[in-house]
Amino acid sequence: QKEVEQNSGPLSVPEGAIASLNCTYSDRGSQSFFWYRQYSGKSPELIMFIYSNGDKEDGRFTAQLNKASQYVSLLIRDSQPSDSATYLCAVGFSGGYNKLIFGAGTRLAVHP
Amino acid sequence: SQTIHQWPATLVQPVGSPLSLECTVEGTSNPNLYWYRQAAGRGLQLLFYSVGIGQISSEVPQNLSASRPQDRQFILSSKKLLLSDSGFYLCACPMKVGTEAFFGQGTRLTVV
Repeated sequence: QKEVEQNSGPLSVPEGAIASLNCTYSDRGSQSFFWYRQYSGKSPELIMFIYSNGDKEDGRFTAQLNKASQYVSLLIRDSQPSDSATYLCAVGFSGGYNKLIFGAGTRLAVHP
Repeated sequence: SQTIHQWPATLVQPVGSPLSLECTVEGTSNPNLYWYRQAAGRGLQLLFYSVGIGQISSEVPQNLSASRPQDRQFILSSKKLLLSDSGFYLCACPMKVGTEAFFGQGTRLTVV
């Protein structure tokens, strides 16, 4: 059973702080890792993806991957109230078709 | 770029009634297509995927079925809805030739 685990939160951070979101996964064969942001009542939107160990930066977002520890994280610098949403971690498994397994998401609340 | 159309946006149906949700995709040909469900406070669960016309694979046993009558059309159906079928239904396809999923706007189904 392939699993993706996230802390459900809520994670509360003050405006301007760094928000750190974490995710672990069970399948060592996983090759691709994604972070989605989902506002209440809306569909998820892709914000970051990472395939290789290490860090990947895009604006205020940094994704970190450690395949040995089966751990992926998302850092949001200079958090804004508009970043308040649920963040879903997704792990890609190959095997004849492209399949994503999603975690249950971490709710982030950025307060002024 | 792809566009995914889903309708209706919201739906309230009585227990035992039939269901038909439609998804159409523009801007790509022969895409892999996916149906996900998100129950309240939970992560996304993959229900069905399709790699081509008439090709449907089911991820979990359930009260639902899917069909792909045309290259860019994916339909989710049920003959008799259960209360447990309530949730947010999302159609998705890869953004490129990869595993990342691009979602439609979703249908919020409430079974009463």
